[in-house]
Amino acid sequence: GQQVMQIPQYQHVQEGEDFTTYCNSSTTLSNIQWYKQRPGGHPVFLIQLVKSGEVKKQKRLTFQFGEAKKNSSLHITATQTTDVGTYFCAGPSNTGNQFYFGTGTSLTVIP
Amino acid sequence: EPEVTQTPSHQVTQMGQEVILRCVPISNHLYFYWYRQILGQKVEFLVSFYNNEISEKSEIFDDQFSVERPDGSNFTLKIRSTKLEDSAMYFCATERAPGYEQYFGPGTRLTVT
Repeated sequence: GQQVMQIPQYQHVQEGEDFTTYCNSSTTLSNIQWYKQRPGGHPVFLIQLVKSGEVKKQKRLTFQFGEAKKNSSLHITATQTTDVGTYFCAGPSNTGNQFYFGTGTSLTVIP
Repeated sequence: EPEVTQTPSHQVTQMGQEVILRCVPISNHLYFYWYRQILGQKVEFLVSFYNNEISEKSEIFDDQFSVERPDGSNFTLKIRSTKLEDSAMYFCATERAPGYEQYFGPGTRLTVT
């Protein structure tokens, strides 16, 4: 079946350092979404990318969708302690009725 | 901001018992999902539901699982005979239309003993 992998699994950074998580799908995706899950919380939608090569920014967060629409990345500039959590990418199945979440990257920010 | 609610927040049950997890979607959302997340692991799709029927289900969603929207508001997940490995956080998510963002509820932590 369709698989969505993320690396790294864990990342510890000093506050102020940058952070990047990479997402790779075994199949081409019509779109990709990113979610953040704080410890003990539920996934919260961050953004959706649809077009090949698309880049979107939200303040310190930069999201990119690969040209082949099989990979994506999330980059955080100058991390803050509020960025702590697990970041998941997610994409739909070919039918659009099933959603595959990536394996997630857990970010720890050391003050 | 509208939100998805789930009850109960925590359910402890004995192996073999039936459980029903409840979700109240955002009012104008038409697409509903159940996911589960075993502690420390990724979010796994269980089932999607639209227009009072299942749109798609994963391999996890076997005959022990069922979903329904009994009264037009609640969206429920029933596990007929729970197993130890059903212990997980179960999230309901709703969506206005396909391809839009999914709003997740706070989850129900199911513990099977």
